[in-house]
Amino acid sequence: AQSVTQLDSHVSVSEGTPVLLRCNYSSSYSPSLFWYVQHPNKGLQLLLKYTSAATLVKGINGFEAEFKKSETSFHLTKPSAHMSDAAEYFCVVSVPRISGTYKYIFGTGTRLKVLA
Amino acid sequence: NAGVMQNPRHLVRRRGQEARLRCSPMKGHSHVYWYRQLPEEGLKFMVYLQKENIIDESGMPKERFSAEFPKEGPSILRIQQVVRGDSAAYFCASSPTVQETQYFGPGTRLLVL
Repeated sequence: AQSVTQLDSHVSVSEGTPVLLRCNYSSSYSPSLFWYVQHPNKGLQLLLKYTSAATLVKGINGFEAEFKKSETSFHLTKPSAHMSDAAEYFCVVSVPRISGTYKYIFGTGTRLKVLA
Repeated sequence: NAGVMQNPRHLVRRRGQEARLRCSPMKGHSHVYWYRQLPEEGLKFMVYLQKENIIDESGMPKERFSAEFPKEGPSILRIQQVVRGDSAAYFCASSPTVQETQYFGPGTRLLVL
């Protein structure tokens, strides 16, 4: 069965310090993986995606994520947090189905708080 | 190119009423997905549609919920006889093909009184 686990429901960092949001996945197939960000009362914005090319993926707003197959992880990082990064972050795995369609499976989210 | 549009952004209904949520995909996108987000939870897949066809409705409740994506016009998620447990944010996403990245709308926040 395919699943996504976001290991931390809440993360707090000080402004200017590094951010690490952890995500582990379980998939029988070679997965496509995504990180989305959701600001309060807003929709979801794509931060970055991994689709079997380079294992280190760079996204918007200085975020990046590394796909580690041996660890089944896709952790999201940023060298220096900004106040505007405070939001909910979702790790998503896209898995193929027998019907030929694909299905997004969402993690439960990590709420990032940035302290001044 | 406008993004995915959803309306209304907020909807208040009393128990027993009907809720209609609309989604206009990005231009050139013929695949539409609906998700529900309960408070403090991630998004849960409900239904996947292509023009005039429901492809996958494995996440849809068996009763009261229906979805359509007509040849012309937006996709509609319809909830009949709403109950308090239907209160949630409903997100629509679209993609140009089934394998492509999904782009999300701003959501409709439904409150059932």
